[in-house]
Amino acid sequence: AQSVAQPEDQVNVAEGNPLTVKCTYSVSGNPYLFWYVQYPNRGLQFLLKYITGDNLVKGSYGFEAEFNKSQTSFHLKKPSALVSDSALYFCAVRSYNFNKFYFGSGTKLNVKP
Amino acid sequence: DARVTQTPRHKVTEMGQEVTMRCQPILGHNTVFWYRQTMMQGLELLAYFRNRAPLDDSGMPKDRFSAEMPDATLATLKIQPSEPRDSAVYFCASGLGQQIHEQYFGPGTRLTVT
Repeated sequence: AQSVAQPEDQVNVAEGNPLTVKCTYSVSGNPYLFWYVQYPNRGLQFLLKYITGDNLVKGSYGFEAEFNKSQTSFHLKKPSALVSDSALYFCAVRSYNFNKFYFGSGTKLNVKP
Repeated sequence: DARVTQTPRHKVTEMGQEVTMRCQPILGHNTVFWYRQTMMQGLELLAYFRNRAPLDDSGMPKDRFSAEMPDATLATLKIQPSEPRDSAVYFCASGLGQQIHEQYFGPGTRLTVT
């Protein structure tokens, strides 16, 4: 069965500091992994994806994520947080042969000035 | 700037009433997803279509929910009769291709059933 876990409901970080939002997954076969961001009263927006290739993938707004197969993790990172990064972040997984996406419960990122 | 549109943005209705939510996917996208978001359950996939055909609706309560794509530019999600536990934000998303690597979400319909 496919599933995604985001162990932190909330992450607090000061502006300018690096941030990490954690995600672990379970999927049959090779995983397709995604991060989405949701701003208040908006739909989700795609940030980045891992399909194959380099374990470090870069996405929108300076975000990147590292795929770690042995730890079944796909943590979202950014070297220097901005107040405008404050939002709800969702990790998602999709199996190779099926278009059904499984989303994590979301992590609220708070970036303080 | 291509976007997924959803109507209505907000809906308040009384228990027992029929609710219809509409979604216009991005022109040319062949896959449409319906999700429900609540505080308790998070984001749940209700159904998805490819080329207007339903491929998976296992997440949808069959007795009261129905989803259709009358044509390539319109997807509908209907609840009849509605119940207070259906209160949630309903999102439509669309994508392109056999393998969906990116979904484009609409702004959602916030449904309140009293």
